[in-house]
Amino acid sequence: KNEVEQSPQNLTAQEGEFITINCSYSVGISALHWLQQHPGGGIVSLFMLSSGKKKHGRLIATINIQEKHSSLHITASHPRDSAVYICAVERGNYGGATNKLIFGTGTLLAVQP
Amino acid sequence: KAGVTQTPRYLIKTRGQQVTLSCSPISGHRSVSWYQQTPGQGLQFLFEYFSETQRNKGNFPGRFSGRQFSNSRSEMNVSTLELGDSALYLCASSLGGRPTYNEQFFGPGTRLTVL
Repeated sequence: KNEVEQSPQNLTAQEGEFITINCSYSVGISALHWLQQHPGGGIVSLFMLSSGKKKHGRLIATINIQEKHSSLHITASHPRDSAVYICAVERGNYGGATNKLIFGTGTLLAVQP
Repeated sequence: KAGVTQTPRYLIKTRGQQVTLSCSPISGHRSVSWYQQTPGQGLQFLFEYFSETQRNKGNFPGRFSGRQFSNSRSEMNVSTLELGDSALYLCASSLGGRPTYNEQFFGPGTRLTVL
């Protein structure tokens, strides 16, 4: 079983829909990252969080440390949001933080106009 | 501020050859991490360098090695290439200090094809 699981693997939405991507992990972590990868390979860091909730524009990320679960929400989705969204965790405790990321398999999102 | 740059962007090699990939981090960033991305295995951590020292290492054979220079630029080397080494190799830089959580900034990647 993978240490980081994402669901769904594929998601098709209509423009304007509210989208949720889920990430569950089975190890102790010091931080969780949400990444976006567009066709062609470039990866952009969307969020890095260790507790609570963060918001950037139409994107919201939440994490529940007790349940070992995080969600990425996209409000008012747009075709330009079409990409692969990847959840990654840093193992360990705060103070021993490491840049060694363990990745989920990604969620391929397609937003249709 | 310039982003993370990787050279070359594309590379074709044959089995048995060796290859060196280069990564220039964002100015002021002292940590460089390397990742391999393949369709079958997804993204996997290779190693991390901080202040010219390897700080973390993933589960890859010894054919994969790296180094970091005093200006934080990093290189990774793969010797005796195998077909399975065909992948997108990504590097990411971060400030790297501890204790802190470090946002990573990714380069565009080097796509290596082994024939």
